[in-house]
Amino acid sequence: EADIYQTPRYLVIGTGKKITLECSQTMGHDKMYWYQQDPGMELHLIHYSYGVNSTEKGDLSSESTVSRIRTEHFPLTLESARPSHTSQYLCASSEGQRSNEQFFGPGTRLTVL
Amino acid sequence: GQQVMQIPQYQHVQEGEDFTTYCNSSTTLSNIQWYKQRPGGHPVFLIQLVKSGEVKKQKRLTFQFGEAKKNSSLHITATQTTDVGTYFCAGTPGTYKYIFGTGTRLKVLA
Repeated sequence: EADIYQTPRYLVIGTGKKITLECSQTMGHDKMYWYQQDPGMELHLIHYSYGVNSTEKGDLSSESTVSRIRTEHFPLTLESARPSHTSQYLCASSEGQRSNEQFFGPGTRLTVL
Repeated sequence: GQQVMQIPQYQHVQEGEDFTTYCNSSTTLSNIQWYKQRPGGHPVFLIQLVKSGEVKKQKRLTFQFGEAKKNSSLHITATQTTDVGTYFCAGTPGTYKYIFGTGTRLKVLA
């Protein structure tokens, strides 16, 4: 069982609020990722990190930001939530040296009213 | 930018029938991964293919990477109800940044 955690699992919030989605992994993985997935649809990469103090934007235009101050922690922040941000957010990590296998967290289902 | 398409989008099969999903990239890939996502769940890694023309088997699942490293397929022999879910391919041109395919949703009728 992969040791990658996301909190909260569900979040309902009003428009304009600032929110932070938490992601932590205890596997010591250097690579971490945030994906956005609408129900039944493909995963869109929104941010990724190759290691501490390294973050890059993915292909999906996003109004979110990330930070990687510690290897195990990769939080995603929305400064001002909008209804268009309603989606599922999946965090993943990979070791990246011997294997590129991505381990996914359970996801955060976000609803912005 | 890089695009990864999968066909079919949906597939309903009778239990015991075979199933194949195809993955096509607009660019040459360094390697390709396959994931399975059960309804309500998160993606789970199945396999990674690296070499041109590579074929790998996992019990009833057969994975293939095309000679040009731009396409891949997943074939399931004699489907079971436990095979239900959405199958995604994910490819990279050589970095750790993977682009996921559009997915194929499989339903198996008992």
